[in-house]
Order: sequence, then structure tokens, then C-alpha cells
Amino acid sequence: DAMVIQNPRYQVTQFGKPVTLSCSQTLNHNVMYWYQQKSSQAPKLLFHYYDKDFNNEADTPDNFQSRRPNTSFCFLDIRSPGLGDAAMYLCATSRGVVAGGRNEQFFGPGTRLTVL
Amino acid sequence: AQSVAQPEDQVNVAEGNPLTVKCTYSVSGNPYLFWYVQYPNRGLQFLLKYITGDNLVKGSYGFEAEFNKSQTSFHLKKPSALVSDSALYFCAVSTLRAAGNKLTFGGGTRVLVKP
Repeated sequence: DAMVIQNPRYQVTQFGKPVTLSCSQTLNHNVMYWYQQKSSQAPKLLFHYYDKDFNNEADTPDNFQSRRPNTSFCFLDIRSPGLGDAAMYLCATSRGVVAGGRNEQFFGPGTRLTVL
Repeated sequence: AQSVAQPEDQVNVAEGNPLTVKCTYSVSGNPYLFWYVQYPNRGLQFLLKYITGDNLVKGSYGFEAEFNKSQTSFHLKKPSALVSDSALYFCAVSTLRAAGNKLTFGGGTRVLVKP
């Protein structure tokens, strides 16, 4: 089945120790997103890739970076995690076309990050 | 700017009774509206969407939603709720010009279906 996969499902890191979260997809979608979700709140978009074009949200801290080496994979790097970065991180994909707001997003299961 | 409101933080309903989760939106231009469900420690799962056409949209697991342009609402409904419908529900809006299909989410409504 076509899907969005996130690894690991649970990640524990120490305060200030860099961490990388991974997302892969078999849907061949050209748009990939990273969201941060805290305590059953609405997901907050951090950034997204439209093909190779990186689109950062204005309020995303510099501490968060992303890489997309190819269509299938996308990584979220947190350079110096703070206690406030503990959250669920969700990856999503969608089929992106010009004026493509009608296309739904497909979400992975998420990675729950704990910062000690 | 576009926005979505889900006025109820939680909805409690008895199993077998009708379930309604409310959503109102604000956009300039024609909206694309979505409902997602999230089970504990899982990602969001797409339920249904309104793009154009018939105001009543049918989706997964027996859910449906009614688009009402005059009231700018898109309420989610299920005629007979199941205990397994207990989850967190998010309404979201997008627009024709949304770069990269960017969604704006409501704050979420927790649904608790009691046996």
C-alpha cells in the first residue's frame, strides 16, 4: 500500500543534542510537509517542499532545518533541541499542482520527540 | 487571511446517537474544506473534502459533511456514532491559490462516544 512512513516513532534526545527525524513516502507526491503538534493542539506547519523548492513558514525558528535529497525522502533536523521542542512531529505529502489547494494531504504516523 | 473555528473543544455523545462536529471558516474566494481525524499517538487521517458541487459530501467510515456557504460552515456528521469514533477531529481550509496545498487547521474537537 502506498503510504507515508516516519522513523523513528519515538525519539528521545538530550537538551542541545542535534536530532534528525526521517520521513519517506511511496505515493510519489511532489509536496512534502513537516508539522509540529503539541498536546492535541492543531498541527503547526513548519515548512514544506514543493518539488525541490523549500518554503519556510515565517515563524519557524532557525533551530529547525529540513532536507529533501529526493522525491521520496525528507528530513527534519533540530540543531539544538530545547525542552519546548518536545512534541509530535508529523510528516505529510500531497500531489501538488498549480492552484492545487484542492488536494488532500496524507499524513505519516508521527514521531514523538522527548527532550531530557 | 484564512481561518477556521471549531467552537467546541469536546463533544460527548452516546453510542448509536447522531454525532455533529461544528466548523466555521473564513476565506477570501472559494474555499476547499477538509475533515481529518486523529487517533491517539497517530497521524491525521483524511475523512472527506468539499471542493465544488453537491453541498453534502460523503466520506469514510459513514461520515458526511454539509457545506453551507451562507453560514460559512462545514459541519461533520454521522447518523449513528460508534465507540470507535472517539478521537480528535480537525477541520481545515485551503484555497485555489494555496501554495503547495497549504492547509489552515481549526483547533480540533475531541469526540467521546460512550457505550
